[in-house]
Amino acid sequence: GAGVSQSPRYKVTKRGQDVALRCDPISGHVSLYWYRQALGQGPEFLTYFNYEAQQDKSGLPNDRFSAERPEGSISTLTIQRTEQRDSAMYRCASRGQGGNSPLHFGNGTRLTVT
Amino acid sequence: GENVEQHPSTLSVQEGDSAVIKCTYSDSASNYFPWYKQELGKRPQLIIDIRSNVGEKKDQRIAVTLNKTAKHFSLHITETQPEDSAVYFCAASRGANNLFFGTGTRLTVIP
Repeated sequence: GAGVSQSPRYKVTKRGQDVALRCDPISGHVSLYWYRQALGQGPEFLTYFNYEAQQDKSGLPNDRFSAERPEGSISTLTIQRTEQRDSAMYRCASRGQGGNSPLHFGNGTRLTVT
Repeated sequence: GENVEQHPSTLSVQEGDSAVIKCTYSDSASNYFPWYKQELGKRPQLIIDIRSNVGEKKDQRIAVTLNKTAKHFSLHITETQPEDSAVYFCAASRGANNLFFGTGTRLTVIP
């Protein structure tokens, strides 16, 4: 596809369960970013990759959150032992090579932890 | 890390009037400043960006200005139309590093 694709679109899970959110970036895009966006707020940085290397994970809230991009394309954000406070929209974005390339966002995964 | 502040949080203007949204940033090494528009239930979409080697950039009714010395940049929308109503986010980054976003401005254009 032409844009950043995320799945699932919606995820409802019970507290304590693990979830895996998937992101398929725009083909050829080097950098991939994960953000979390609360309703009415700006995207909050979580982590990002250049190719398969995780460059910065300082935004991950705690050690229940992890991300990988093993082949430098598709990425998975995993949240273990989910808690209600993890409920949010999780957005993936990608950008091409070059420090000032525009960031393109996916439609996000709306996670609800009950 | 970078800290981006954005004002105002809400802005209402009459159709045809201008709207101005302002942002400040903390990292003097930041050199890329995009603006995103997010309509209700949709993804943020880039509307304009500016790099630190220029002070102003225009695209039809939208313009962005950058003051590197003061570390602030602004979005200007002229001749506003109802379809301009959305939440606008500013952001800042240093080169290829991560992009930090402001908290957003909800713009309402009153017909």
